[in-house]
Amino acid sequence: DGGITQSPKYLFRKEGQNVTLSCEQNLNHDAMYWYRQDPGQGLRLIYYSQIVNDFQKGDIAEGYSVSREKKESFPLTVTSAQKNPTAFYLCASSTSKGGGEKLFFGSGTQLSVL
Amino acid sequence: KQEVTQIPAALSVPEGENLVLNCSFTDSAIYNLQWFRQDPGKGLTSLLLIQSSQREQTSGRLNASLDKSSGRSTLYIAASQPGDSATYLCAVRGAYKLSFGAGTTVTVRA
Repeated sequence: DGGITQSPKYLFRKEGQNVTLSCEQNLNHDAMYWYRQDPGQGLRLIYYSQIVNDFQKGDIAEGYSVSREKKESFPLTVTSAQKNPTAFYLCASSTSKGGGEKLFFGSGTQLSVL
Repeated sequence: KQEVTQIPAALSVPEGENLVLNCSFTDSAIYNLQWFRQDPGKGLTSLLLIQSSQREQTSGRLNASLDKSSGRSTLYIAASQPGDSATYLCAVRGAYKLSFGAGTTVTVRA
């Protein structure tokens, strides 16, 4: 079945530690996105990538980094510079850059600070 | 900057009642509007996608309307069931990203 796989489902970060969230899709989508969800708030865009080897900052990129070495994969690293990382992280993908396409989401990763 | 608002934040209805969920946005220059469903601790599932040139979309018991000029969309769910209990989010598509509302959490009482 085609879809987006995020792992792990739960992740704990210690003080000063970098952690990496995985996102893999087999939908052959060009564009991929990372969103952060906090209780009572809408999703906020962290980074997005419209093509392999290229990505752009979203609204809240500080303290995060990404790579897009393969079309299928778009991992997100939460660095120690992100002082409030506890949130639900969602990865998404879509077919094109045109603007009219539907967005598909993974099942999310809950990140907590120890 | 696009602002998306969903009111109310929470809604509780008895089973069988029709649901009306509202979404408003400030910038009418959108490509499309998408309604999503989210169950607790899960990702988002797309329900309906309305292109900017369309007025409404229907899928089963769900119907979504779009009025770009007034910056509003409404999601109607007919004959609600306990399984419809979830958070419903709307998102508007601008030049390169989606802007999300905070969602309306719906509880359908059996």
